[in-house]
Amino acid sequence: ILNVEQSPQSLHVQEGDSTNFTCSFPSSNFYALHWYRWETAKSPEALFVMTLNGDEKKKGRISATLNTKEGYSYLYIKGSQPEDSATYLCASLGVARQLTFGSGTQLTVLP
Amino acid sequence: NAGVTQTPKFRVLKTGQSMTLLCAQDMNHEYMYWYRQDPGMGLRLIHYSVGEGTTAKGEVPDGYNVSRLKKQNFLLGLESAAPSQTSVYFCASSYAGGSYEQYFGPGTRLTVT
Repeated sequence: ILNVEQSPQSLHVQEGDSTNFTCSFPSSNFYALHWYRWETAKSPEALFVMTLNGDEKKKGRISATLNTKEGYSYLYIKGSQPEDSATYLCASLGVARQLTFGSGTQLTVLP
Repeated sequence: NAGVTQTPKFRVLKTGQSMTLLCAQDMNHEYMYWYRQDPGMGLRLIHYSVGEGTTAKGEVPDGYNVSRLKKQNFLLGLESAAPSQTSVYFCASSYAGGSYEQYFGPGTRLTVT
């Protein structure tokens, strides 16, 4: 079983602040890294899937980077808005094609 | 398209009772998964299936059984519910190959008293 760690566990920022979270995962047995956004009372929805070392993905104000050699990924949010409040999950996909999830970073953006 | 649906949405069981949770997807996905979500522990894989008629154990399979008789349906059974199975259960599905991006159902909140 892969061990996926996320930090911080929770975060409060002011509207307009930029922020970032960390996901660390074992670099062996790696196939892909997924980021999901999970709003309260909804289901997780995929944000990014990254596979190659050095990958960078962007969707609006949110971006992510991947370092497979050292086993970490960063998620960045530029100019946070209240609607960005959610739990952000990362998950490592191993060669067995099973996702192992971290426990998430809960972001609250204060207006 | 309905995507991934789960029934029921909520259920309260007494210890020792049995029940089946149904997951259905209309995206023709090969892979289907059952997770449980507990506070502070993220999503943990219970069982998964890579195709009709096949199932495999995940990280926390004890106390659960599954069946995939049709490609679009994945059933999770609790034969004798225990309070430790109080949780929110999520079903997900994905294509086999590519990014394996998972699409989640709305969840089933189960309480075992």
